[in-house]
Amino acid sequence: GESVGLHLPTLSVQEGDNSIINCAYSNSASDYFIWYKQESGKGPQFIIDIRSNMDKRQGQRVTVLLNKTVKHLSLQIAATQPGDSAVYFCAERGSGGGADGLTFGKGTHLIIQP
Amino acid sequence: ETGVTQTPRHLVMGMTNKKSLKCEQHLGHNAMYWYKQSAKKPLELMFVYNFKEQTENNSVPSRFSPECPNSSHLFLHLHTLQPEDSALYLCASSQHLGVGETQYFGPGTRLLVL
Repeated sequence: GESVGLHLPTLSVQEGDNSIINCAYSNSASDYFIWYKQESGKGPQFIIDIRSNMDKRQGQRVTVLLNKTVKHLSLQIAATQPGDSAVYFCAERGSGGGADGLTFGKGTHLIIQP
Repeated sequence: ETGVTQTPRHLVMGMTNKKSLKCEQHLGHNAMYWYKQSAKKPLELMFVYNFKEQTENNSVPSRFSPECPNSSHLFLHLHTLQPEDSALYLCASSQHLGVGETQYFGPGTRLLVL
């Protein structure tokens, strides 16, 4: 079946370094992708999204890269801060345009070391 | 704060109890969603409502019964639940349905079924 998943369950980085979180997807019909951040005890928080007609999009301290050839999505966080500690989910939505919800990966836990 | 509130934040119930989860969004959105988040599993879409009409039911057992009296409020009625139903239940809303619509999540209700 179709699935969205993350390569690593845990990523540990030094404060101030850049973080890269990866995601693989298998639904070639998906044309919209989102990254969410979920802190302990809270619901997911939208970070950044990208449509399939783009290969890169930048936000505040974050960049999302999309490689449709290999069905790979990544989230880059620049100058990682302690407040960036959280679980990060990638999600995809099919191109049907109907009442589809989001299909999420399991998440990567980002740990910031001082 | 995302503009989506959920009550209660925590709930413990027996298998013979009947309880309801409430979600309210203050964003003027037209679509609302219920998701289930179990430990070590991806988010699962349960129900989708668009303009108060249910548009999707992802094969959810009948012991979960949604209600959407208006575009701002969404309920999830629970009865004769099983221990495996223990999870975090997340409500979300978006302006419209479809590709490109960002979903905003509430903090969730942590449910424990004994």
